[in-house]
Amino acid sequence: KAGVTQTPRYLIKTRGQQVTLSCSPISGHRSVSWYQQTPGQGLQFLFEYFSETQRNKGNFPGRFSGRQFSNSRSEMNVSTLELGDSALYLCASSPGGSSVDTQYFGPGTRLTVL
Amino acid sequence: AQKITQTQPGMFVQEKEAVTLDCTYDTSDPSYGLFWYKQPSSGEMIFLIYQGSYDQQNATEGRYSLNFQKARKSANLVISASQLGDSAMYFCATYLGNTPLVFGKGTRLSVIA
Repeated sequence: KAGVTQTPRYLIKTRGQQVTLSCSPISGHRSVSWYQQTPGQGLQFLFEYFSETQRNKGNFPGRFSGRQFSNSRSEMNVSTLELGDSALYLCASSPGGSSVDTQYFGPGTRLTVL
Repeated sequence: AQKITQTQPGMFVQEKEAVTLDCTYDTSDPSYGLFWYKQPSSGEMIFLIYQGSYDQQNATEGRYSLNFQKARKSANLVISASQLGDSAMYFCATYLGNTPLVFGKGTRLSVIA
């Protein structure tokens, strides 16, 4: 089975721009979660989607949004980029049916905001 | 809310030796899961091992085993016969019901030839 894929792998943007990141989960997985990883804050949960519905949301401003499509692929969008948004964004998928599903991560998208 | 603590920012181990990475957690819920992930410099988080709170035996996956001490709320990862490719960041995480994964700060493991 193919793993979780994320595109693009690297992005460079300037302050004020917006960005869209994409995540394709493992085939058959219905849950997709997004995490932000920075040296200072570590790994922080952004949001989780299950069957096209947002099931959980982390403590991030409204500039961060996401969605999930009927094929379980997910996108996250960050509007009005700030320097502090520079981070590794990780997407993880899981089957979604059990409360203790293992999450499998993609390679991440490294976003640099200049 | 659940909390994960990894007290070792960095660890060194000689190749072929065993190493233990510490993880303690804090949750009041009786049902939870504990995970260990490896993150090489490339950035991808690689799932290593899982332990459920009701599992009677410690989890093992190849060279990885989990020393689960429920009363002490600890879930230490043991890597046997370390290899150079084991050099990476290691994260402990807990997943409680429908809440998202909560990660510790991680331990950077360096394997020395």
